[in-house]
Amino acid sequence: GAVVSQHPSRVICKSGTSVKIECRSLDFQATTMFWYRQFPKKSLMLMATSNEGSKATYEQGVEKDKFLINHASLTLSTLTVTSAHPEDSSFYICSARAGHEQYFGPGTRLTVT
Amino acid sequence: GQQVMQIPQYQHVQEGEDFTTYCNSSTTLSNIQWYKQRPGGHPVFLIQLVKSGEVKKQKRLTFQFGEAKKNSSLHITATQTTDVGTYFCAGEGTGFQKLVFGTGTRLLVSP
Repeated sequence: GAVVSQHPSRVICKSGTSVKIECRSLDFQATTMFWYRQFPKKSLMLMATSNEGSKATYEQGVEKDKFLINHASLTLSTLTVTSAHPEDSSFYICSARAGHEQYFGPGTRLTVT
Repeated sequence: GQQVMQIPQYQHVQEGEDFTTYCNSSTTLSNIQWYKQRPGGHPVFLIQLVKSGEVKKQKRLTFQFGEAKKNSSLHITATQTTDVGTYFCAGEGTGFQKLVFGTGTRLLVSP
C-alpha cells in the first residue's frame, strides 16, 4: 500500500516554543491530507483537513492560529503547534487520501514540558 | 455533528474465543472503514465497506455493513494473540471526505 511518513517521530519541547511536524506521501500525490490528534487510550480526533494550495478546514473547537497547517505541495503537509503548552502534549497523526483509502503516518509524539 | 460509537470499549478473551465489536453512527454513511491500531503504533487500514448490507471476509475477520448504512460490525473467529490491539471503525458521511473515527474497542487476547 501507499506510504506516508511523518517527521519527527518524537519531540520534546519547552512551553512557549513552536513545533513543526511534517507529513509526506512518499509514493503518491495527495491533494487532501488530514491531521488527527490522539490522547492515550482514546480515539483519533480529526483536527483539520489540509488541501493542497488552499487553506485548511478546521474542525469545530480547533484553534487555527494555534495549529497552523500548510499544504505546500501534493506530497507535503505541515502542522505547526505554536506557543506549545503542556496540554498540547499528544500523539499527532496525519493521513493522506489515495482514492477511497486513507493511509496513516506513523505519528508524532509531542511532549511539552 | 456526526458521532460514531463503538461497543464494547474493551474486551478480554482467551485465545481461540470469538470476538465482535459493534459500530454505530448517528448519521447515514457513504462508507465505513475499519482500522487496527497496535499499542504504540498507528492505525492500519483493514477494509472498506460501501454497499448496504455488504459482508466482507478476510481470513478470520468478517465485516458487515448494516442495511441502513448506519452501523457495522467486525467479528473475529478463533482469536489469536496477534489480534491484540484497538479496533476502530471510521465513517465517511455522505458528501464529505473526512472520516469520523469511532470510540474504538480494545481487544486483549490471553494465551
